[in-house]
Amino acid sequence: DQQVKQNSPSLSVQEGRISILNCDYTNSMFDYFLWYKKYPAEGPTFLISISSIKDKNEDGRFTVFLNKSAKHLSLHIVPSQPGDSAVYFCAARDFSGSARQLTFGSGTQLTVLP
Amino acid sequence: DSGVTQTPKHLITATGQRVTLRCSPRSGDLSVYWYQQSLDQGLQFLIQYYNGEERAKGNILERFSAQQFPDLHSELNLSSLELGDSALYFCASNLGGPGETQYFGPGTRLLVL
Repeated sequence: DQQVKQNSPSLSVQEGRISILNCDYTNSMFDYFLWYKKYPAEGPTFLISISSIKDKNEDGRFTVFLNKSAKHLSLHIVPSQPGDSAVYFCAARDFSGSARQLTFGSGTQLTVLP
Repeated sequence: DSGVTQTPKHLITATGQRVTLRCSPRSGDLSVYWYQQSLDQGLQFLIQYYNGEERAKGNILERFSAQQFPDLHSELNLSSLELGDSALYFCASNLGGPGETQYFGPGTRLLVL
């Protein structure tokens, strides 16, 4: 039972264009969402997050959008750079539980072509 | 560098064996989380410790166990290893409070032959 789904295993984008990574979830109790980026041979690193009380959060070239009614979030990277090539994981947390465990999607490999 | 360290980086062993993975959290962090990433899979939460005590359990097999020591480092013990246990094992840490971002170590790549 995948509560967090990233349906696109890979995405290729030209340098300078917009990258849009998508994530869907099923658990309506999720109220905090995060994006992590992972380079080969390294652990995931936190990129950006959004609380369920917001529909948009921006940090430089990265913007996360949340559509609660559709249970969908997306990460926009503008403009995309070759250094953005990595695996991107979305994650969600059920704040109603006593533990702060995260449920991760399976990841999307982003390749930014020069 | 997240400040979380994991040893060893790579581990090759045989089926039926037992291994121990070690994690040192960021300075000041009280919570340690263990995750498993198998091929083409997302990060599967295994277990969380907070200040030495088990806080939450995820999809952790009975053959696996973990502990957190008084100095806050943690060990994940994997026993009676099977081929399917081959995976990347990540440790993450944070202060443990609500809204906390988790900081991940570089992982241990386990290969069971």
